[in-house]
Amino acid sequence: KQEVTQIPAALSVPEGENLVLNCSFTDSAIYNLQWFRQDPGKGLTSLLLIQSSQREQTSGRLNASLDKSSGRSTLYIAASQPGDSATYLCAVNSNSGYALNFGKGTSLLVTP
Amino acid sequence: DARVTQTPRHKVTEMGQEVTMRCQPILGHNTVFWYRQTMMQGLELLAYFRNRAPLDDSGMPKDRFSAEMPDATLATLKIQPSEPRDSAVYFCASGLNTASEAFFGQGTRLTVV
Repeated sequence: KQEVTQIPAALSVPEGENLVLNCSFTDSAIYNLQWFRQDPGKGLTSLLLIQSSQREQTSGRLNASLDKSSGRSTLYIAASQPGDSATYLCAVNSNSGYALNFGKGTSLLVTP
Repeated sequence: DARVTQTPRHKVTEMGQEVTMRCQPILGHNTVFWYRQTMMQGLELLAYFRNRAPLDDSGMPKDRFSAEMPDATLATLKIQPSEPRDSAVYFCASGLNTASEAFFGQGTRLTVV
């Protein structure tokens, strides 16, 4: 069964800092990996989708990388802002399961 | 603006009552998922449909939970009878196909007292 781990569980940074969120998974046979953002009491918003054949995807200040062989993905947030405060979730779509397996998330707080 | 729509957004019910949650996937999406989110367990897959056929419901307590897709525009998740341990946020998500981006609804927050 695919296991997805996110480190750190919580992170607090001052505004303007660049930061990296980490995601690791145990089974490298994946279709894709997706990063989501969740605000308190809200649903999940898709941020980036990386197919298994890709190495990275970028959207604005966000950059996600994928190293399938080592079972790792990182989400890089440049020039963080207080509005980036949320929980960030990593989810892996495995060849065997066809549904997303989620990590527990990283709770990010960006202070003014 | 295409989005996954879930109703109701909030539900408070007494133990033993039947609960029905509804989801309207994005038009044209052929995969639908039901997830449950709790503080302790995070997001857990309950059921997965492709072209309205259930492919995986191994995460669902079979004795009390049931999931169906009566048609391509409606997915339902029923709990009967409900128990306090079912209190959680239930999310529906849809995607174009198995390996495409998944889009989530706003969730149904269920409280069973």
